[in-house]
Amino acid sequence: ETVMTQSPATLSVSPGERANLSCRASQSVSDHLAWYQQKPGQAPRLLIRRASARATGVPARFSGSGSGTEFTLTISSLQSEDSGIYYCQQYKNWPPTTFGQGTRLEIK
Amino acid sequence: EVQLVQSGTEMKKPGESLKISCKASGYSFADYWIAWVRQMPGKGLEWVGIIYPDDSDTRYSPAFQGQVTISADKSISTAFLQWRRLKASDSAMYYCARDPHGPAAFLDTWGQGTLVTVSS
Repeated sequence: ETVMTQSPATLSVSPGERANLSCRASQSVSDHLAWYQQKPGQAPRLLIRRASARATGVPARFSGSGSGTEFTLTISSLQSEDSGIYYCQQYKNWPPTTFGQGTRLEIK
Repeated sequence: EVQLVQSGTEMKKPGESLKISCKASGYSFADYWIAWVRQMPGKGLEWVGIIYPDDSDTRYSPAFQGQVTISADKSISTAFLQWRRLKASDSAMYYCARDPHGPAAFLDTWGQGTLVTVSS
C-alpha cells in the first residue's frame, strides 16, 4: 500500500498570504495525485486532479505541482473561506487508493 | 447538476445488519464508477471500495474485503454499502463519491455522507 504523508499537520496563515501544503508518497505515483478540501460538517470537495489540473469551479488561487513522490498544493492570497482540512490522494497504486492524513489550514 | 444523495443517519446495535444507499442524478449512473469512503470520528479518509453499476464490477480495499458488500441497482440509479454483522468499530461517516475515470481515480462528486453509529 502506498503511504501518503502530509505536512505540516497544521498551518496558520494570515489572509492575503500564501500557503504551501506538502504531500509525499512512499513510492512513485507519477502524476496520479488529487487534492481535496473538507470543511467542518461537509463532504470533501475535489480541488486538483492529475497533480496540477484544477477541478471545475475551483478558484485560480489554488494550484498544484509535483510528480513522482513529492507534491505541493499552493493557495495564493488566502481568503477566510479557505480554512479547512486538505487531503491528498494517490490513485496510481491500487487497490486501495490512499489518502494522506490531512493538513488543517487555519486563517489567522 | 450531478448529485449524489445518501440515506440518513443510522443507529444500530453490534451484530445487526445495515444497508445504506447513494442515489445519483444528473448523469448516466451506469457509466461511472461509484466509490465508498469511510471517515472515522476525527480521522482522515479511507477508500473502502468501488463499483461499476453497468456490470456490477466491484473492487475492495484489502482492509475492507469481506467486511462489507458494495452493490448497485442501475434501474434506480442507486449504489449500496452493506454490513451483515456490524461492530462498534464500524461507527463512522460513510461517503459515496463518483469516480469519473475508474476503477481507481480521483472523486469528482461526493454525497453528503451517512453517519453510522454502532453501540449497545
